[in-house]
Formats: sequence, structure tokens, C-alpha cells
Amino acid sequence: AQKVTQAQTEISVVEKEDVTLDCVYETRDTTYYLFWYKQPPSGELVFLIRRNSFDEQNEISGRYSWNFQKSTSSFNFTITASQVVDSAVYFCALSEGYNFNKFYFGSGTKLNVKP
Amino acid sequence: DTGVSQNPRHKITKRGQNVTFRCDPISEHNRLYWYRQTLGQGPEFLTYFQNEAQLEKSRLLSDRFSAERPKGSFSTLEIQRTEQGDSAMYLCASSSPRGTSANEQFFGPGTRLTVL
Repeated sequence: AQKVTQAQTEISVVEKEDVTLDCVYETRDTTYYLFWYKQPPSGELVFLIRRNSFDEQNEISGRYSWNFQKSTSSFNFTITASQVVDSAVYFCALSEGYNFNKFYFGSGTKLNVKP
Repeated sequence: DTGVSQNPRHKITKRGQNVTFRCDPISEHNRLYWYRQTLGQGPEFLTYFQNEAQLEKSRLLSDRFSAERPKGSFSTLEIQRTEQGDSAMYLCASSSPRGTSANEQFFGPGTRLTVL
């Protein structure tokens, strides 16, 4: 079974629209970490955020915000007022336990922001 | 540049040949990861090193694959008797358990392997 599911394969929006990227995870561990990464057309993965399983507080960083809900095993990512530069593939990832010795990535959501 | 570097960036080989890729992590990072990414998919974990010790290996890492990190610094990933199904982007990442970026993985640009 997939540990991290990103059901949205591709999303297209027009610049300045808000967009939410969904991530659903599966784990039996009580301690785990969730991540979001961005992969622009250049190809190099860029870290965006990390949350641990004990901290359900939502986080906002500029136009980016993250909604972590353990009850639904979801860690969704919202971009407010999207810009063309946000066009990329976004990956959600899970690491179980404390050791960060193994990561599970979702299949990614390709975001196209049109001018 | 103090980021993660990988060499070569591209490799084209014929089926049955052996290939070796190199990853140089960020110098103070003691953790190093190898991933494989195929088109339209997320990175798939292959293996993990803490210093020179290989602590985790995926079942994806068949007998034809071997990874080393002999001095706890750079790492090599070797694929023997390559098959067309090995064609993918091979990504390396490193991290440190300390500092403001603790446990954040920094990724290299990847090595794209094409097996003809």
C-alpha cells in the first residue's frame, strides 16, 4: 500500500488564484515527520517544510500555508495568490520514527500556473 | 558552492555494462541518501548511510546495486549488468541532525541514466 498518496496528478490555475495540494499518508507509528518538497523544471528538489506528528499547528510562510490534520491523516499545502514561478511538481513525503533513515514520497502533483 | 554535487550528470550506457555514480554531500552532513526517480513518479528510497555505515536498504536495491561511503564523506552507487529498467534519475541527498536545518534533506541535481 502507498504510504503517501497525492491523488491530484496535475492542477492548472490562473495566476493569483489560490490552490490547495492534497496529501494523505498512512503509518502505524506514533512518531513520524511529514515534508513537502518542490521540484521546479530545473529538476532539483527543494525543501519547503517539515512537521512532526506531535505538532498539529498549522503553519504559514508568506503565500504558503500547511494544514496538518491527524484525524484524517492529511497534510495539505495551500498556495495563496499563485504566481507563474510556483509552477513545479510538488511532493509530499513521510519519515517514520525518530531516525530519519527512510523516506516515502508521494507521486507528486504537477502545478501549472498560467499568466 | 557548498551544495550536494553528483557526477556525472548524465550517463548513457549499453545494456549489460556497469556504471558508477558519485555523490558529494554537504561537508558537515553525516547522513546520506540515494533515491531513484522515474518519469512522473516521486523519488523512491534506495539506501541510507549514517557516516560510513549503511543502515537501511530498500528491497528495490537488487543484488546488482551496491552503494558505499567508505570514509563517511562521498558515496558511490554502482549498478552492475545494467538493464533498460534501470533507466531513471538517481538522486542523492544529505542531512545533518543538528542545526537550524536539522533533518532537512538537501538534494543534489541527480544523475540521469539511460540504458540502451
